[in-house]
Amino acid sequence: AQSVAQPEDQVNVAEGNPLTVKCTYSVSGNPYLFWYVQYPNRGLQFLLKYITGDNLVKGSYGFEAEFNKSQTSFHLKKPSALVSDSALYFCAVIMDTGRRALTFGSGTRLQVQP
Amino acid sequence: KAGVTQTPRYLIKTRGQQVTLSCSPISGHRSVSWYQQTPGQGLQFLFEYFSETQRNKGNFPGRFSGRQFSNSRSEMNVSTLELGDSALYLCASSLAGYLTDTQYFGPGTRLTVL
Repeated sequence: AQSVAQPEDQVNVAEGNPLTVKCTYSVSGNPYLFWYVQYPNRGLQFLLKYITGDNLVKGSYGFEAEFNKSQTSFHLKKPSALVSDSALYFCAVIMDTGRRALTFGSGTRLQVQP
Repeated sequence: KAGVTQTPRYLIKTRGQQVTLSCSPISGHRSVSWYQQTPGQGLQFLFEYFSETQRNKGNFPGRFSGRQFSNSRSEMNVSTLELGDSALYLCASSLAGYLTDTQYFGPGTRLTVL
C-alpha cells in the first residue's frame, strides 16, 4: 500500500520569503515522488519529480524538493515566494512495484501575501 | 506540442442519466489515466488505459467505465448518475505509462449532477 500526507491545509508566507510545503509518504517499496500545482479552474501542472539519484530535485518556476529517505519526506521549497505562487499544491507517489496510478496527498493551499 | 484536452469543460446532468467525457492526450502519448477530484475525497484514481487496454483500475463501482481508441484518445462513461458523482474529472497522459513517466493533466471536466 502507498499513502501520502500533507500535514498542512494552508501555508501563509510573505512575498520574498522562503516557502516550504511539507509532504511525507509511506510505501512498502521504493517511491517515485511528484509535485503538482493547481490553479483555480485548472488541471494539475507538473512541477518536479524524484525518481532516483540526487536527493535535491529542481523543477519549474524556481521550485525544488528534497527527498529524505530516513524521514520519508519530500518537502517542496522555493527560496523567494511570489504572489503568483498562490495556489493548491499536491504531492503524489507511485511505488516502484505498484500499479501505474498516482496516490495524491490532500493538498496544501499556499497563500503568498504581498 | 498541444497539451491534454478534455471535452466538454462543463456538464450538468440529472440523477439517473449517463454521461460520456472525452480526453485527447498529448501527441505521441499512449497511456491515459482518469482521476476524480472532489472536496471530500480529494484526487482518486479511476483507471488507466494503454494501447486500447485497461491496465489498472481504482476502487470505483462498475457504473464508471472507459475505453481507449487506436489514436490513444479516451472516453469515460458514467451510467446511472448519482449526486455524489459531481466532481472534477481529470485526464492525464504519459508517454508509455511507465511508473517513472510524468503524467500531464488536462484542464478537467466539471460534472454537476442535480
